[in-house]
Amino acid sequence: RKEVEQDPGPFNVPEGATVAFNCTYSNSASQSFFWYRQDCRKEPKLLMSVYSSGNEDGRFTAQLNRASQYISLLIRDSKLSDSATYLCVVTRTTSGTYKYIFGTGTRLKVLA
Amino acid sequence: GAGVSQSPSNKVTEKGKDVELRCDPISGHTALYWYRQSLGQGLEFLIYFQGNSAPDKSGLPSDRFSAERTGGSVSTLTIQRTQQEDSAVYLCASSTGRLNWGEKLFFGSGTQLSVL
Repeated sequence: RKEVEQDPGPFNVPEGATVAFNCTYSNSASQSFFWYRQDCRKEPKLLMSVYSSGNEDGRFTAQLNRASQYISLLIRDSKLSDSATYLCVVTRTTSGTYKYIFGTGTRLKVLA
Repeated sequence: GAGVSQSPSNKVTEKGKDVELRCDPISGHTALYWYRQSLGQGLEFLIYFQGNSAPDKSGLPSDRFSAERTGGSVSTLTIQRTQQEDSAVYLCASSTGRLNWGEKLFFGSGTQLSVL
């Protein structure tokens, strides 16, 4: 079982739709949580950090449930430009190494 | 520079040749990571440098892979006797290394390595 699991998709949604992605992580010692976005053949870029109380950045809302070890990302009013792969990332410290553990990503296609 | 810089952006080599990939992290960032991403796959951790500490090499797939970081800044990833399965995008990332909660990781644009 992978340490960070995501539904690979693809999620095909029409413009203007609301879409939600889920992510689960297996290590309860995980410390910080993020969503990154990766466009085709590009590097991952930070979309947003995920806080325990939940946080919002424009059309994007992230939630964290530590008890269930579950992270979510909600995108409202989807735009064509939101089409990308969304990577769930958790961090933990192991033997002095601060590791960023990446999920394999969920592909989103927003259709005109 | 303003961001993480990697070179070359593309490298085509013949099987059996050695290659060197370079990463220049964000100025002041003490933590530096190398990842590998094969086509359609997730990010695979390779190696981690933090300041003057011994690097964490636990992700290097074989002894053909090595990396160094000189002067706590620029890093070079070397692959000896390249094989076709080494073909991938090699991504470098850096962070401040302060290990605070929410410490963000910033990526370079990667080196696309193709081994013929």
